Amino acid sequence: ETGVTQSPTHLIKTRGQQVTLRCSSQSGHNTVSWYQQALGQGPQFIFQYYREEENGRGNFPPRFSGLQFPNYSSELNVNALELDDSALYLCASSIPEGTDTQYFGPGTRLTVL
Amino acid sequence: AQSVTQLGSHVSVSEGALVLLRCNYSSSVPPYLFWYVQYPNQGLQLLLKYTSAATLVKGINGFEAEFKKSETSFHLTKPSAHMSDAAEYFCAVSEGGTSYGKLTFGQGTILTVHP
Repeated sequence: ETGVTQSPTHLIKTRGQQVTLRCSSQSGHNTVSWYQQALGQGPQFIFQYYREEENGRGNFPPRFSGLQFPNYSSELNVNALELDDSALYLCASSIPEGTDTQYFGPGTRLTVL
Repeated sequence: AQSVTQLGSHVSVSEGALVLLRCNYSSSVPPYLFWYVQYPNQGLQLLLKYTSAATLVKGINGFEAEFKKSETSFHLTKPSAHMSDAAEYFCAVSEGGTSYGKLTFGQGTILTVHP
């Protein structure tokens, strides 16, 4: 059991709206990464947060933004939703000073209509 | 930049047969390599990882993978398939010479197991 939780499980939004997805990392993990997995594709790296600072970003536009809180939980915010943003959003937590593995949560399924 | 190629988007085997899922990678630094499994409507579960120790890596559920630097490969095998192995499998490489950095995933291989 990984211990990474995400909310909500499913979400339906319309084009142009904004959405916030949440991730609680495994206990003690100070690094959170977010990935987008479109249908039939492998996950694509969005960005990573380490101790509340962004620590790397993938090829996603600025309307994808994030936060990490002092308890190491994290949010992914997407503004001006587009149809192509429909995907499974996964977060993964890790701790560079310890385990060498990223543990994934169950994901949030976002549908943009 | 790292990249991962999974050969075969779909693999079908009979129950009890050998499972072989192919993965080739490209990396400018010694890679950290992972295999993850994804069941329908679920997140990713780590099967096994290569972190520059033994080249033959054993994972959960009877899976193993062998790191071959000369072939830039990290193929996943299981001697005898079980119906419960039916899922999608992703090979991934970690960027920057660390195990916790950005993961670059392959496109995935859907494994079907026939009775």
